[in-house]
Amino acid sequence: GAGVSQSPSNKVTEKGKDVELRCDPISGHTALYWYRQSLGQGLEFLIYFQGNSAPDKSGLPSDRFSAERTGGSVSTLTIQRTQQEDSAVYLCASSSILLETQYFGPGTRLLVL
Amino acid sequence: RKEVEQDPGPFNVPEGATVAFNCTYSNSASQSFFWYRQDCRKEPKLLMSVYSSGNEDGRFTAQLNRASQYISLLIRDSKLSDSATYLCVVNYGQNFVFGPGTRLSVLP
Repeated sequence: GAGVSQSPSNKVTEKGKDVELRCDPISGHTALYWYRQSLGQGLEFLIYFQGNSAPDKSGLPSDRFSAERTGGSVSTLTIQRTQQEDSAVYLCASSSILLETQYFGPGTRLLVL
Repeated sequence: RKEVEQDPGPFNVPEGATVAFNCTYSNSASQSFFWYRQDCRKEPKLLMSVYSSGNEDGRFTAQLNRASQYISLLIRDSKLSDSATYLCVVNYGQNFVFGPGTRLSVLP
């Protein structure tokens, strides 16, 4: 079946602008995660959604970052007033609570000039 | 101490070599364990889950030692296509913690 999809695949923006990143998880997966990966670095957890529960926002680096998940499916990650240090690959993953394995999307490469 | 630590690497090995990666985790409540591989500029992909009894998938063998909070991955008869970064992942509840990864380069 279809995997996790993300859009856009690449985004170049100017410092101070807002950006929205989108994630479509695998159909039926109840858990959805956002991660950030800077060049040559490991994955940094940002936020996690599980069904209708309140999201775990413990990884969000600042209040400029927010995310929502509508209807338990599609999620958007919003970064307000982008800074150059926000440049990274933003990865989305979903998992079925039964399988516990995460499946990743191809990521969005964000470059803040 | 970081929650998940891995060999720093990089590992540069010739084709056909056997290579082992180690990973340690700090949270004794961890429930599930995985190895992912990540190719350059690609997303991580599941390589294999790690079970308490140890498990094998072709040339890949994973071991778990809960008492020592240690996970290993052994790759036998390495291929050029095995070149990638290998990520150790530890899960408790719905929290997944990724290690920093170990880079492997298999040389012809």
